[in-house]
Amino acid sequence: AQSVTQLDSHVSVSEGTPVLLRCNYSSSYSPSLFWYVQHPNKGLQLLLKYTSAATLVKGINGFEAEFKKSETSFHLTKPSAHMSDAAEYFCVVSDQGGNKLVFGAGTILRVKS
Amino acid sequence: ETGVTQTPRHLVMGMTNKKSLKCEQHLGHNAMYWYKQSAKKPLELMFVYNFKEQTENNSVPSRFSPECPNSSHLFLHLHTLQPEDSALYLCASSQEGPNSGGAYADTQYFGPGTRLTVL
Repeated sequence: AQSVTQLDSHVSVSEGTPVLLRCNYSSSYSPSLFWYVQHPNKGLQLLLKYTSAATLVKGINGFEAEFKKSETSFHLTKPSAHMSDAAEYFCVVSDQGGNKLVFGAGTILRVKS
Repeated sequence: ETGVTQTPRHLVMGMTNKKSLKCEQHLGHNAMYWYKQSAKKPLELMFVYNFKEQTENNSVPSRFSPECPNSSHLFLHLHTLQPEDSALYLCASSQEGPNSGGAYADTQYFGPGTRLTVL
């Protein structure tokens, strides 16, 4: 069965510094991988999606993620954090057959001024 | 985000009440989902509907009763809930449902959620 592990429950960065949110997945096939963001009292918004077209995936708001099969990782990065990036981020893997999503536990990103 | 709407946004109910959550998607999708998001727990899939047919019930207690009258609307009927059912209930939709035969998963688009408190 597929699973996803977000390695940090909380990450704190200063505004203007790089962001790294780590995610490892387990899957016996070529998965779809997603990153979603959830701001307080809001629903989940798609940041980016990987479906094997390219290992480096660019998303909205300057985020990107790199699929590394050998490391079974899909880490989310951003070169320079903004205060508005403060939110909870979820790494997600799909099941075989598609569309049943398995969510990680989430990483809360705090951005300090 | 406005592609999927949910009402009400907040709901407080007693354990003997009956209430319903409503979800509407304006994206022309064929699949709709209910998720439960509890504090300190990963998002849990509850139900999946594909072309109005329920294709997944993830061992959800019968006090939660879904209804999908058409591909654009999804309801979650609630009755005799327990305090541990307090959570954020999220609705989502996607173009195709699970096991549609595609190689990769369709993106799911989420509504803002209903914050439910059971007293």
